[in-house]
Amino acid sequence: GNSVTQMEGPVTLSEEAFLTINCTYTATGYPSLFWYVQYPGEGLQLLLKATKADDKGSNKGFEATYRKETTSFHLEKGSVQVSDSAVYFCATTGNQFYFGTGTSLTVIP
Amino acid sequence: DVKVTQSSRYLVKRTGEKVFLECVQDMDHENMFWYRQDPGLGLRLIYFSYDVKMKEKGDIPEGYSVSREKKERFSLILESASTNQTSMYLCASSLGASFTYEQYFGPGTRLTVT
Repeated sequence: GNSVTQMEGPVTLSEEAFLTINCTYTATGYPSLFWYVQYPGEGLQLLLKATKADDKGSNKGFEATYRKETTSFHLEKGSVQVSDSAVYFCATTGNQFYFGTGTSLTVIP
Repeated sequence: DVKVTQSSRYLVKRTGEKVFLECVQDMDHENMFWYRQDPGLGLRLIYFSYDVKMKEKGDIPEGYSVSREKKERFSLILESASTNQTSMYLCASSLGASFTYEQYFGPGTRLTVT
């Protein structure tokens, strides 16, 4: 089946630093790709998505581009804030939804 | 606004008890899902339902059952709770009959079995 592999955490950054969380996928066909965020004590929220190659998803300053040639969907943000501290999940579709194991991000002031 | 609610945020049960976790969505979505989330393992699919009274096993259905009598409600049942079912349980729903649509999650139920 399809799968995603995302970089291990935890990641700790200072406020205003640049963020990259790597995600690569294995899939047959043309899956959709997603980033979800989970704030402490809460469920997952959709952060952004892309449904075809070269699509760029963006939301709240986060971006990710669906790269078919490198099978990647890396999450980036130019300047992180303390409020971005959360766990981030990459996901893809297929016979079901396939989630990565999550990357914990802590942003310190 | 999209809303998925779960009956409890925290639940403590004893080994051998029958446990019901309820999930309700107000978006008229066809698909509903139950996951469990454990540290280092990510989300694992327990069961999903693509229509009323329909259900499909996910990756880890053992020890669980589900019920979907109405479109908006999907229940997860632990027939005889065990300590290895201590976990965070997440319900989700999505539009449509395939897995290409984004899933909307409830806040989760943290279940402790003692």
